[in-house]
Amino acid sequence: DTGVSQDPRHKITKRGQNVTFRCDPISEHNRLYWYRQTLGQGPEFLTYFQNEAQLEKSRLLSDRFSAERPKGSFSTLEIQRTEQGDSAMYLCASSFGGDRQYFGPGTRLLVL
Amino acid sequence: AQKVTQAQTEISVVEKEDVTLDCVYETRDTTYYLFWYKQPPSGELVFLIRRNSFDEQNEISGRYSWNFQKSTSSFNFTITASQVVDSAVYFCALSLYSGGYQKVTFGTGTKLQVIP
Repeated sequence: DTGVSQDPRHKITKRGQNVTFRCDPISEHNRLYWYRQTLGQGPEFLTYFQNEAQLEKSRLLSDRFSAERPKGSFSTLEIQRTEQGDSAMYLCASSFGGDRQYFGPGTRLLVL
Repeated sequence: AQKVTQAQTEISVVEKEDVTLDCVYETRDTTYYLFWYKQPPSGELVFLIRRNSFDEQNEISGRYSWNFQKSTSSFNFTITASQVVDSAVYFCALSLYSGGYQKVTFGTGTKLQVIP
């Protein structure tokens, strides 16, 4: 049983560039979540998918952020025109129904 | 709104000492889950335990034990005979069923350093 995987694990980019992260959930999990974790803080909820439908978005998710989950399998999180404040760990999690969420290893983003 | 407070930002103990990590939560819901996660320097969140709000029985797993008290809204975590490998950031979290999914709120974490 493979866990949640995320790619890339690390990303360094210059301010103003676009970046895209990928999350592959556990195969039978129909729910997928994105979180952001800044230094010294706990993870904060960004958005949630049930199958391919994005059902909730946090107010933390500005217009520069977009997430997709085509066909209800993997998901992508894109940040356009990155800012230094976007530097954080981006965590993906998946679950089957209302069961507990399983977290991936995260993508560390550094915006220079 | 729900909230999780971990008042201890950093704790240092000498190896083999016992250490307790505090967690206090706030919610108006009567049905919820509480979690503890470990986050080593690699960054991955390692699941340690989940308890539901109807089960106040304390739990022990090896050197780990958890004390859940609804009367004080606390869910404390004790590591007995700490080891260097226990050094990590530990997060307490609260999960509510909201809008069709489990909405998880994390505390700010407690960084534990075990000194050899």
